[in-house]
Amino acid sequence: ETGVTQTPRHLVMGMTNKKSLKCEQHLGHNAMYWYKQSAKKPLELMFVYNFKEQTENNSVPSRFSPECPNSSHLFLHLHTLQPEDSALYLCASSPRLAGVSGGELFFGEGSRLTVL
Amino acid sequence: EDQVTQSPEALRLQEGESSSLNCSYTVSGLRGLFWYRQDPGKGPEFLFTLYSAGEEKEKERLKATLTKKESFLHITAPKPEDSATYLCAVQGTTDSWGKFQFGAGTQVVVTP
Repeated sequence: ETGVTQTPRHLVMGMTNKKSLKCEQHLGHNAMYWYKQSAKKPLELMFVYNFKEQTENNSVPSRFSPECPNSSHLFLHLHTLQPEDSALYLCASSPRLAGVSGGELFFGEGSRLTVL
Repeated sequence: EDQVTQSPEALRLQEGESSSLNCSYTVSGLRGLFWYRQDPGKGPEFLFTLYSAGEEKEKERLKATLTKKESFLHITAPKPEDSATYLCAVQGTTDSWGKFQFGAGTQVVVTP
């Protein structure tokens, strides 16, 4: 079983659809993250959760709505997206908030989102 | 605000041809600098953490070094399996725990 699993791997949606991305980690970590990766641009932090509590919202538009029901699961609910939201969405986890003890983030393979 | 600039954007090497990647950073105070490797279609994979100027870390053909303004990732005698995008990230002392600033990466292609 891979450490961090993301589903679906690919998603195509229209601007009026509502969909969700799911992330599950099997590493016993307490912190989870959503990142956005666009071509030729740096990884962009979206949200951070620590022990299920949101600790960071990096000025993300409200059409992205995160949910963290427990330390092992993280969702990103999507609605009324724009074509410029098309990107690779990466989930990551770490034992504690990254930087507290080391900087290792464990990433999933990502969900490739295309908004038509 | 933290800034990270990686150069070059892309690098093509012959197998065995050593080279270096650069990561220049601007932070109010460095808490840590991190190197990751990302293969196509995969998420980034952690390589190293560096905390203070003068520090060095090694892993197989990779060696990371740190100064007060930049970090280098040296690839010695690369093999085709070293082909990947290498990402640098920093966390400053004024950043929230859990928050990194990533660079855009250097795409490395090693040909046989």
